[in-house]
This record gives sequence, structure tokens and C-alpha cells, in this order.
Amino acid sequence: GAVVSQHPSRVICKSGTSVKIECRSLDFQATTMFWYRQFPKKSLMLMATSNEGSKATYEQGVEKDKFLINHASLTLSTLTVTSAHPEDSSFYICSAREARLGDIQYFGAGTRLSVL
Amino acid sequence: QQQVKQSPQSLIVQKGGISIINCAYENTAFDYFPWYQQFPGKGPALLIAIRPDVSEKKEGRFTISFNKSAKQFSLHIMDSQPGDSATYFCAASRITGGGNKLTFGTGTQLKVEL
Repeated sequence: GAVVSQHPSRVICKSGTSVKIECRSLDFQATTMFWYRQFPKKSLMLMATSNEGSKATYEQGVEKDKFLINHASLTLSTLTVTSAHPEDSSFYICSAREARLGDIQYFGAGTRLSVL
Repeated sequence: QQQVKQSPQSLIVQKGGISIINCAYENTAFDYFPWYQQFPGKGPALLIAIRPDVSEKKEGRFTISFNKSAKQFSLHIMDSQPGDSATYFCAASRITGGGNKLTFGTGTQLKVEL
């Protein structure tokens, strides 16, 4: 099946710093990428939808200036958590979809962010 | 209207038994219903999915049953194995005109005991 690579798998940072998470589709071109946030033992909450070459669409309640999303190419999307604070600590997961592959979203392995 | 309700929250099944997880949705515009399996510290992996034009789909030990009139669907895991112990999420989305944004259920933690 299609592979989505997410990097880094784990990051620890100091409060106030910015962190960038990369999401790559390795063997297909992702026309759409999605970013999710998951709290421990909770469900996945969609943060934003990103289409290549256009601005991301954020879900209600998600601060777009806090969570910067860039989808500059068909194989790469990045999520930057700006001026991170302890409450931003969470598990961030990306997924990717290509129209020719049908309805399936392929998920990355996730990034565990811990803000001290 | 975007909610997907999932039950039970946790489930313990004996090895070889049948695990059953249920989901209900409200939005009749949903037209794609996948089930995902997630192990701790990993991203979700697609198990099986169904469209509303069929009432059942089977892949190996995994079966989705779909009841369009009741707006419910369920996952059955036959001959459950300890390796099936994971968290399972149902989801729903609108493929046509909805951009395939997934709405996830709350998850079911399955434990298969020897």
C-alpha cells in the first residue's frame, strides 16, 4: 500500500520555541493532506486540510497563526507549531490522499510533541 | 450532525472469540465508512471500509455490517487473536462534495486474552 512518512517521530522542545513536523508521501502524489491532533486515549481531531499549492483550510477552533501548514509540493506538507507551550504537547498525525487511489487516507506514524 | 458515536469504549475478548464494535452516525450525507486500527504510539492503519450501497463487506477475519436505514455500522473480528489487541476507530466521511474529511468515533480499546 501507499506509504506516508512523518518526521520526527518524537520531539522535545522548550516553551516558546517553534517546531516543524514533516509529512511525506513516498510512493504517490498527495493531492490532499490532513493534519490531526490526538490526546492520550482520545480520538483524532482534524486540525486542517491542505491542498497542494493553496492555503490550508483550518477547522473551527484551530489557530492558523499557531499551527502553520505548508503544502508546497505534491509529496510534502509541513506543520509548524509556533511559540510552543506545554498545552501544545500532543500526538500529531498527518494523512495523505490521492484521487487516483480512491477514497483511502494513508496515515503517517505520528509525532509525539512534548513542550517543557 | 457531524458526530460519530462508537461503543463500547473498551472490550475484552477471549482468544478465538468474536469482537464486535458498533458505530452510529447522524449525517446522511456520509458515503464512506472506514475502520482503522491503531497501536500505541503509531498512526492509524486502514483495516476495511464500506460504501453505503452494500450491507456487508468481508476481508479475511474482518467484516463490516452496514445498516443504512438505522444509520449504523459495525466491525466484527472473527477468531480474535492477542495480536488484534489495539484501539479501533470507526470513521465516516463525505466523498462526494465533502473532500473526504474523516470524522472519527471515540475509539474502542480491544484486549484479546489468551
